[in-house]
Amino acid sequence: ETGVTQSPTHLIKTRGQQVTLRCSSQSGHNTVSWYQQALGQGPQFIFQYYREEENGRGNFPPRFSGLQFPNYSSELNVNALELDDSALYLCASSYRGQGYDEQYFGPGTRLTVT
Amino acid sequence: AQSVTQPDIHITVSEGASLELRCNYSYGATPYLFWYVQSPGQGLQLLLKYFSGDTLVQGIKGFEAEFKRSQSSFNLRKPSVHWSDAAEYFCAVRRTGNQFYFGTGTSLTVIP
Repeated sequence: ETGVTQSPTHLIKTRGQQVTLRCSSQSGHNTVSWYQQALGQGPQFIFQYYREEENGRGNFPPRFSGLQFPNYSSELNVNALELDDSALYLCASSYRGQGYDEQYFGPGTRLTVT
Repeated sequence: AQSVTQPDIHITVSEGASLELRCNYSYGATPYLFWYVQSPGQGLQLLLKYFSGDTLVQGIKGFEAEFKRSQSSFNLRKPSVHWSDAAEYFCAVRRTGNQFYFGTGTSLTVIP
């Protein structure tokens, strides 16, 4: 069973640029959630994708957007990067349909905005 | 409104000593509660979860947690801490739409 993978591991961008982060969900999972974890903080829910559609969103501006593909992998796109976007971005996959959904997390992508 | 509160930012215990990490939640319905552990530079690993039934749940690595509805708490415990338990611990609640909300975490240091 393949776990959740994320790429790249680390990324450095300049303020104003755009970035795309990628996530491959665990085999058999159909739901992907994205979280932002600032230094010293808990993960903050960004949004969730199920069946290729956004299915819930946290308190993040529209410049945070995403996609889910037919193979359930996902991308997180952030436009017009700001210094405060520097964080660890975590992806979590789960299977909707069991009555409860246990999320499995990837190792994260560390984004630094300078 | 804050869904999950972890009142202890940092805890230090001696190896072999018992451990209790506190978590309080605010959620109207029956909550789905989780504890995760995060080692430096790593993602989150699920320690245990509570959905219903027995209020004392067992997890991996010798951890357990007790759900107390009257106190809105879901505290994590371990009878004897090992040096490898040093990490950041997060309590989380699953709300509608399978959205998880995390506390700010408790950093655990284990001294020899």
